[in-house]
Amino acid sequence: GAGVSQTPSNKVTEKGKYVELRCDPISGHTALYWYRQSLGQGPEFLIYFQGTGAADDSGLPNDRFFAVRPEGSVSTLKIQRTERGDSAVYLCASSPGTGVRSGANVLTFGAGSRLTVL
Amino acid sequence: AQTVTQSQPEMSVQEAETVTLSCTYDTSESDYYLFWYKQPPSRQMILVIRQEAYKQQNATENRFSVNFQKAAKSFSLKISDSQLGDAAMYFCAYRSASTGTASKLTFGTGTRLQVTL
Repeated sequence: GAGVSQTPSNKVTEKGKYVELRCDPISGHTALYWYRQSLGQGPEFLIYFQGTGAADDSGLPNDRFFAVRPEGSVSTLKIQRTERGDSAVYLCASSPGTGVRSGANVLTFGAGSRLTVL
Repeated sequence: AQTVTQSQPEMSVQEAETVTLSCTYDTSESDYYLFWYKQPPSRQMILVIRQEAYKQQNATENRFSVNFQKAAKSFSLKISDSQLGDAAMYFCAYRSASTGTASKLTFGTGTRLQVTL
């Protein structure tokens, strides 16, 4: 698509429930990133995919968080047994890829999914 | 680990005036990239400007320019002729140029810019 699309835009759930957040990256972008942005803070890295594989999942806070990208395009961030502290905006971004000097590649972000856990 | 510090939680500027947002970072690497992103209330992060550490020349993009001081690990953003549409959160970000670790951006905590008439 023309941009990075994230659904839902807003999600309200109860403590202990399971949620899925979806990211549809720009067509052809092989790299996909998930970030979490708490109120008043900068985005914090969660996980990065290169193609279908998670190249770096060092930012996932615990085993309640999991993300997949089975066909190398759409990605889903899954949160089990949600806690109130999980409330945040979850941002997805994509970029053309990785490799030498690819750090200069610009990440294009979606508008985020705001998760509220009651 | 790299860290990015933005020491100005809020800044205000009058329309048509110039404002400078500060950013410092800590790294042991010599090759990296620095970015400024803008986040309006719509939440979508938008790239403002990018600097490659191996380039001595400061990057410019129309009304936006940076002052990159590598030895001081400083990367400030100057906005000239400020416009109402510039009002937003601004985030400074760091990215390693090393293959294998070039994946993630590390962001600062942001500076909220207000533009007044």
